[in-house]
Amino acid sequence: SAVISQKPSRDICQRGTSLTIQCQVDSQVTMMFWYRQQPGQSLTLIATANQGSEATYESGFVIDKFPISRPNLTFSTLTVSNMSPEDSSIYLCSVGGQATNEKLFFGSGTQLSVL
Amino acid sequence: RKEVEQDPGPFNVPEGATVAFNCTYSNSASQSFFWYRQDCRKEPKLLMSVYSSGNEDGRFTAQLNRASQYISLLIRDSKLSDSATYLCVVTGNQFYFGTGTSLTVIP
Repeated sequence: SAVISQKPSRDICQRGTSLTIQCQVDSQVTMMFWYRQQPGQSLTLIATANQGSEATYESGFVIDKFPISRPNLTFSTLTVSNMSPEDSSIYLCSVGGQATNEKLFFGSGTQLSVL
Repeated sequence: RKEVEQDPGPFNVPEGATVAFNCTYSNSASQSFFWYRQDCRKEPKLLMSVYSSGNEDGRFTAQLNRASQYISLLIRDSKLSDSATYLCVVTGNQFYFGTGTSLTVIP
């Protein structure tokens, strides 16, 4: 299993500001995934971060709002831009799930509250 | 229609009880199935994979019924430490998560 370090673990931010979340994996992985979990909701995939190319965004998520970097095979960042209270969520990075029955492993998550 | 549907609960059971959760999925082509456990304000952690033949891990038994497109999780002899939210997860072109079923085991 992969060990994933994610930071910050939590933050309280003002409306209109941006926050960058970092994720470091202890091994090289082709794809990293960024999820959002709003209060009382299921996890929703924001985007897939590919090394050497632009991230692939899911419906409802755009690069201007959630820019992603993937400078190498062990690291990725997600920025939540121009935040509003509706962005208050847990944000999670994950790796794995590339083959049938292969599990997803998650970072410890970032609890974001926007005032 | 949601990819994965779960009864959100909450389930409140006494210690030692047996509790079962069910989950249905919409895509008959789904290939992999999992149960994850999520403690409050923590990341989801894999509890067990679910196979067509069924699988058991100690007090936990998972079953998959492809014909009816549902997955179940049975917890026997519930412990206080089993209190958590249990997420049903199904794969298609990505991982699809249910909203989770909340379990509280009461002393």
